Amino acid sequence: GQNIDQPTEMTATEGAIVQINCTYQTSGFNGLFWYQQHAGEAPTFLSYNVLDGLEEKGRFSSFLSRSKGYSYLLLKELQMKDSASYLCAVKDSNYQLIWGAGTKLIIKP
Amino acid sequence: EAQVTQNPRYLITVTGKKLTVTCSQNMNHEYMSWYRQDPGLGLRQIYYSMNVEVTDKGDVPEGYKVSRKEKRNFPLILESPSPNQTSLYFCASSYSGVSSPLHFGNGTRLTVT
Repeated sequence: GQNIDQPTEMTATEGAIVQINCTYQTSGFNGLFWYQQHAGEAPTFLSYNVLDGLEEKGRFSSFLSRSKGYSYLLLKELQMKDSASYLCAVKDSNYQLIWGAGTKLIIKP
Repeated sequence: EAQVTQNPRYLITVTGKKLTVTCSQNMNHEYMSWYRQDPGLGLRQIYYSMNVEVTDKGDVPEGYKVSRKEKRNFPLILESPSPNQTSLYFCASSYSGVSSPLHFGNGTRLTVT
């Protein structure tokens, strides 16, 4: 079967750096997406990786290793507004999105 | 403003009373989809549509119907709602390209008593 694993919850301190991991086992691979979702709100797109390596977008970076079935989202200079759930999703060989259950990130002052 | 509009935001209904949740997008997206989100389970796809008059089942289609008569609209119909359909529902749309991200509506919180 297809599976995406993410930690359920993580805690970090304001101003620090946090890495949220995502491992996947899917039938085929056509890219990996990260979304941010604040409580009770809609998910919003953060990043897309299809080739190995690091993609940087301001305070957020996303890394992909296709051979290891592994990605991470790196958040730097954490702010209180970064408290949210972070969703990892992979597009499989049928171009369907397979979603992880999400990682709830709690930022403490 | 480019957006996906869902209505209503909140809905409380009783078992068996048919309801429709509307979804409309103004970005000329080919692809539209419905998800439900439950605690600990993440997003689960109900139905999706690759274009007008083309719809397919997702992972949890039982108890739901959809239609795509126009490109911009993709309503979700619950013919006979049951309490296990109490959930947070999201409509989403995107261009059909592989790397195109989904744009989500603001969600509909449905309670079936």
